[in-house]
Amino acid sequence: GAGVSQSPSNKVTEKGKDVELRCDPISGHTALYWYRQRLGQGLEFLIYFQGNSAPDKSGLPSDRFSAERTGESVSTLTIQRTQQEDSAVYLCASRPTSGSETQYFGPGTRLLVL
Amino acid sequence: SQQGEEDPQALSIQEGENATMNCSYKTSINNLQWYRQNSGRGLVHLILIRSNEREKHSGRLRVTLDTSKKSSSLLITASRAADTASYFCATEGKSGGGADGLTFGKGTHLIIQP
Repeated sequence: GAGVSQSPSNKVTEKGKDVELRCDPISGHTALYWYRQRLGQGLEFLIYFQGNSAPDKSGLPSDRFSAERTGESVSTLTIQRTQQEDSAVYLCASRPTSGSETQYFGPGTRLLVL
Repeated sequence: SQQGEEDPQALSIQEGENATMNCSYKTSINNLQWYRQNSGRGLVHLILIRSNEREKHSGRLRVTLDTSKKSSSLLITASRAADTASYFCATEGKSGGGADGLTFGKGTHLIIQP
């Protein structure tokens, strides 16, 4: 079956612009995660969605970051007024239920802020 | 926050040899997972070991977990050129039921020389 997809694959933007990153989880997966990976680093957890519950936003790096999810489908991560430090690969993962441990990752969006 | 630490940061071996990577973590966990990442993009789940397990096998992979030392090791036997990748350990904490996401280390970059 289809895996997690993300778009765009690559995004180059100018400092100060807003960007929107999209994640389509595996159909039927209720849990969805966003992570950020800076060059040469491990993944940094950003936010988690489970069903229709309100997400805990405390992991987002700053108030310029926001994320939404429509029901149990697509999610968007928005970065407003981008800074060079936001340059990273943004990865999305989904998993069937909160009780299922394996997360399935998408290919990521590579963001470069000039 | 990054709590997992892989060791070594980089490893280069000859094809056919075994590769061993280690991971340490700091807090109590439900499980520990190993992922592989090629070319800095999507992660592939390799193996999961629960906190009440000590050793697990999957094909050429062997994972051990020592919760008293808060450490794990990943052994890849009979390495192949295709095993060249970055390997990350990730832990799921005891609290949160998955809501805190996975905590990743910085990874071990494995190079298999033909």
